[in-house]
Amino acid sequence: ILNVEQSPQSLHVQEGDSTNFTCSFPSSNFYALHWYRWETAKSPEALFVMTLNGDEKKKGRISATLNTKEGYSYLYIKGSQPEDSATYLCAFPTGTASKLTFGTGTRLQVTL
Amino acid sequence: DVKVTQSSRYLVKRTGEKVFLECVQDMDHENMFWYRQDPGLGLRLIYFSYDVKMKEKGDIPEGYSVSREKKERFSLILESASTNQTSMYLCASRLLWGYEQYFGPGTRLTVT
Repeated sequence: ILNVEQSPQSLHVQEGDSTNFTCSFPSSNFYALHWYRWETAKSPEALFVMTLNGDEKKKGRISATLNTKEGYSYLYIKGSQPEDSATYLCAFPTGTASKLTFGTGTRLQVTL
Repeated sequence: DVKVTQSSRYLVKRTGEKVFLECVQDMDHENMFWYRQDPGLGLRLIYFSYDVKMKEKGDIPEGYSVSREKKERFSLILESASTNQTSMYLCASRLLWGYEQYFGPGTRLTVT
């Protein structure tokens, strides 16, 4: 099983703060890197799928960057809002492209 | 919108019982997956299926089996439930050549 590591494990910020967290993955045989958001009592939903080194993706106040050579991706949230509170998971295909290995997630809590 | 549904949100079973967890997707996806999520361990793949009647073991298949008789339905079976199978179980589906996995809302199973 290939290792996908996320840090920090949890984060508590105030509304309006910007924040970022990291996903580290094996840099050899890169195929794609996935980011998911999992809100409490809801289904995990895909945020980004990143495939190219140097890729930067954006969805509203959330953006992500990718460095395949060194094996990391950053997720940024600008001006955090309470509705951003969730666990953010990254995942890396292993074995066949169908299988994803997930990190343990970063749990973000945004308070007023 | 893709919809993935799971038969129960919460389930309580006794040790030794046979347990069936059902997952249905409505988007004609070829691939379907069963994960379990435990605190500090992230999502771990139990089994997945490429297509009808095709299955492959994931990272933690011991104590589980699966059935895929119809394309839209993927069942996870606990032949003889044990307390260490108490967990959140998530089903997901994906197009054969797609990237994104679509998740169900999860079933929280407690085995007493």
